[in-house]
Amino acid sequence: EAGVVQSPRYKIIEKKQPVAFWCNPISGHNTLYWYLQNLGQGPELLIRYENEEAVDDSQLPKDRFSAERLKGVDSTLKIQPAELGDSAVYLCASSLDHLAAGRNEQFFGPGTRLTVL
Amino acid sequence: GQSLEQPSEVTAVEGAIVQINCTYQTSGFYGLSWYQQHDGGAPTFLSYNALDGLEETGRFSSFLSRSDSYGYLLLQELQMKDSASYFCAVRDRGGSSGDKLTFGTGTRLAVRP
Repeated sequence: EAGVVQSPRYKIIEKKQPVAFWCNPISGHNTLYWYLQNLGQGPELLIRYENEEAVDDSQLPKDRFSAERLKGVDSTLKIQPAELGDSAVYLCASSLDHLAAGRNEQFFGPGTRLTVL
Repeated sequence: GQSLEQPSEVTAVEGAIVQINCTYQTSGFYGLSWYQQHDGGAPTFLSYNALDGLEETGRFSSFLSRSDSYGYLLLQELQMKDSASYFCAVRDRGGSSGDKLTFGTGTRLAVRP
């Protein structure tokens, strides 16, 4: 079974440029998450989707960040314009059902390492 | 809000046992998870404790005390491949958005020969 797929793996852009990240979750996983991870820190939730609905975007900086999951499967995260402080790893994760079984085991993709110059 | 504390670094010898502690502050607590992350890799799920006590999975065990807001991850028979960062993560009600997973800052484990 394929895991969570993310692309690109690496992206280098200049500040003020736009950038987009793509995520394909594990087949059948209804819940999709985007996290930001700074060096030496734990993942921080940006947004959580239940199917195509964004149910928690309280930590998403909406002035420059946007996300979509149009058909409840793939998702894209966009930054426009990017700032120097956005340099980080952007992780996508999915889980079978956010509230099921108690464990809420999340499966993470390899992430996109963004460098803003 | 939520807060978690875990040691930043731990060093141990191959074959030894190491314990990584995690204390947390939160409201509406559901449970405590542990994730492993190798350098440049994706976090991978290790364990989840919702009730007090010890959960064992092979060489790894995880413990929770809800009354003390404390948990730990126990790694036995350490192997070089266990060198990684280990994150505790609290699952709680997360306010109006339903339950939420909040990660600690991670403990970097270095296993020496």
